[in-house]
Amino acid sequence: DTEVTQTPKHLVMGMTNKKSLKCEQHMGHRAMYWYKQKAKKPPELMFVYSYEKLSINESVPSRFSPECPNSSLLNLHLHALQPEDSALYLCASSPKTGQFAYEQYFGPGTRLTVT
Amino acid sequence: ELKVEQNPLFLSMQEGKNYTIYCNYSTTSDRLYWYRQDPGKSLESLFVLLSNGAVKQEGRLMASLDTKARLSTLHITAAVHDLSATYFCAVETNAGNMLTFGGGTRLMVKP
Repeated sequence: DTEVTQTPKHLVMGMTNKKSLKCEQHMGHRAMYWYKQKAKKPPELMFVYSYEKLSINESVPSRFSPECPNSSLLNLHLHALQPEDSALYLCASSPKTGQFAYEQYFGPGTRLTVT
Repeated sequence: ELKVEQNPLFLSMQEGKNYTIYCNYSTTSDRLYWYRQDPGKSLESLFVLLSNGAVKQEGRLMASLDTKARLSTLHITAAVHDLSATYFCAVETNAGNMLTFGGGTRLMVKP
């Protein structure tokens, strides 16, 4: 299995809702990432988990809450989002060992719309 | 703060023509990545450049890295319509824990 999967593909939520995005990989990678991408912009790093521990939080608002239950799973819990949070949310993973330790493999993304 | 600049940001070219996309970055790094993104889709890894002087080729695309000049190039040879996409370079930083992306080059290849 050489892919990163993300669910759901699309999500529409109100500003008072609570929802979660899920990311999964079975490549044995030990680093996982959340990115936010607005239209016609590059991905912006949000969080990095390394060996299941949060290692980087790029000053993301607390309405976004990441969770890494195990080495294969990464969740992003969403609460009280704003319309400007509408974007494509990408998950990625990287091996952390070997010659290509930091090459990141991206999932297909979740298209989030906040109404 | 690391800055990664790509140019051009938009490129419209005819099929069969050659062109080069440039990626400049502002701090020392030996590792650079090129990704392709189709509209509404995720990022697909194209090239991993791990040292100064690295050159990788796949089909009509060739990427190179000059770490001394802090410059990477993505050269397109005899473009075809299927190459139309947005191309991002990304520089590895923070001991490999982060990628900093360039602004992207939106490529349109016209028949």
